[in-house]
Amino acid sequence: DGGITQSPKYLFRKEGQNVTLSCEQNLNHDAMYWYRQDPGQGLRLIYYSQIVNDFQKGDIAEGYSVSREKKESFPLTVTSAQKNPTAFYLCASSIGKYNEQFFGPGTRLTVL
Amino acid sequence: KNEVEQSPQNLTAQEGEFITINCSYSVGISALHWLQQHPGGGIVSLFMLSSGKKKHGRLIATINIQEKHSSLHITASHPRDSAVYICAVNSNTGNQFYFGTGTSLTVIP
Repeated sequence: DGGITQSPKYLFRKEGQNVTLSCEQNLNHDAMYWYRQDPGQGLRLIYYSQIVNDFQKGDIAEGYSVSREKKESFPLTVTSAQKNPTAFYLCASSIGKYNEQFFGPGTRLTVL
Repeated sequence: KNEVEQSPQNLTAQEGEFITINCSYSVGISALHWLQQHPGGGIVSLFMLSSGKKKHGRLIATINIQEKHSSLHITASHPRDSAVYICAVNSNTGNQFYFGTGTSLTVIP
């Protein structure tokens, strides 16, 4: 079955630790995205990648980093520089940048 | 001011009612998306529109590019339609994606 997966579903970390969220897709999509969702707010774009080995900052990239070494994978690292990392993180992919996006199930990160 | 505004924020309907959710945007766009988010958090893409109207089952989405407005209609609503519906746009300048804050729909049996 084709789809997009994120792991883990729930993640707890101590303040000051870096943490990496996984996102994998087998849809053969070129574009991948990371969003953050906070209560009462719309999704906000953290980073996106249109092609392997290339990625662009979104609206709230500070304190985050990404890599795109393989077409299938787009991991997001939440660094200790991110001041308020507790949130719901969603990964998505699309054939091209302006095409329909397919979303993963999300990872809920709680920093204690 | 948000680039994408949705109304209403919350909506409660009786099963069988016709439902309309509205989305207005202030930027030029290449496409508009309607998304559905269930309580567990997963998001499903319902429609992608750049003009006109699309229909899928009991769901209908329309867009008026001149008025910068889109509507999502649900006919014969059912409790399983209960979810948050999100409007999102791809800006046609730069690399911008904008999302509305969502409309929380509850359909009561």
